[in-house]
Amino acid sequence: QTVVTQEPSLTVSPGGTVTLTCASSTGAVTSDYYPNWFQQKPGQAPRALIYGTSNKLSWTPARFSGSLLGDKAALTLSGVQPEDEAEYYCLLYHGGAQLFGGGTKLTVL
Amino acid sequence: QITLKESGPTLVKPTQTLTLTCTFFGFSLSTGAVGVGWIRQPPGKALEWLTLIYWNDDKRYTPSLKSRLSITMDTSKNQVVLTMTNMDPVDTATYYCAHLSYGSGDYYYDYWGQGTLVTVSS
Repeated sequence: QTVVTQEPSLTVSPGGTVTLTCASSTGAVTSDYYPNWFQQKPGQAPRALIYGTSNKLSWTPARFSGSLLGDKAALTLSGVQPEDEAEYYCLLYHGGAQLFGGGTKLTVL
Repeated sequence: QITLKESGPTLVKPTQTLTLTCTFFGFSLSTGAVGVGWIRQPPGKALEWLTLIYWNDDKRYTPSLKSRLSITMDTSKNQVVLTMTNMDPVDTATYYCAHLSYGSGDYYYDYWGQGTLVTVSS
């Protein structure tokens, strides 16, 4: 069974930069997996941030960017704000089905 | 403006069948390049993708639950229905439906419902 792995937790200082990654147990993540990234705050539904590896939605702040980093998908936050504290999930497309990662809890401290 | 809302029972008994309805506005499943997916989240745990139906009635299911899941659409009512059989306490979760946009090789869930908490307990 395919597993998508993310860092369980990361901590970053306000104004800093942090990179979250998303790996697949099947091997290298490529653009063919159409990596998506979501932000979820407590009590709220997830909000899409990035699709197709690096494309932003109209509401995605400029400080968020997506990429492929080595054999993983990556979400980088540059100039982190206190309101970026949240859970972040990646979503990969695997042969028609889709699979979320376990999420990264980002703490801004 | 696209909105989605989940509805259905908040409490089901073990072994029962769960039926949830996603009612949406602002788009039609009769047009191309759209779909509706279901995602769930057990309390305090990660998101889990369940199933997706495309505008052309093409359907996809997560392999681990495929035997228990069914997704259908009613374009006249702007609704998508999720059915999950043989419910178990581990299926206790908030169930979300979400609008999928796709095209040119891109896929994304851009609009989500508020979610509905379903508890499985006798």
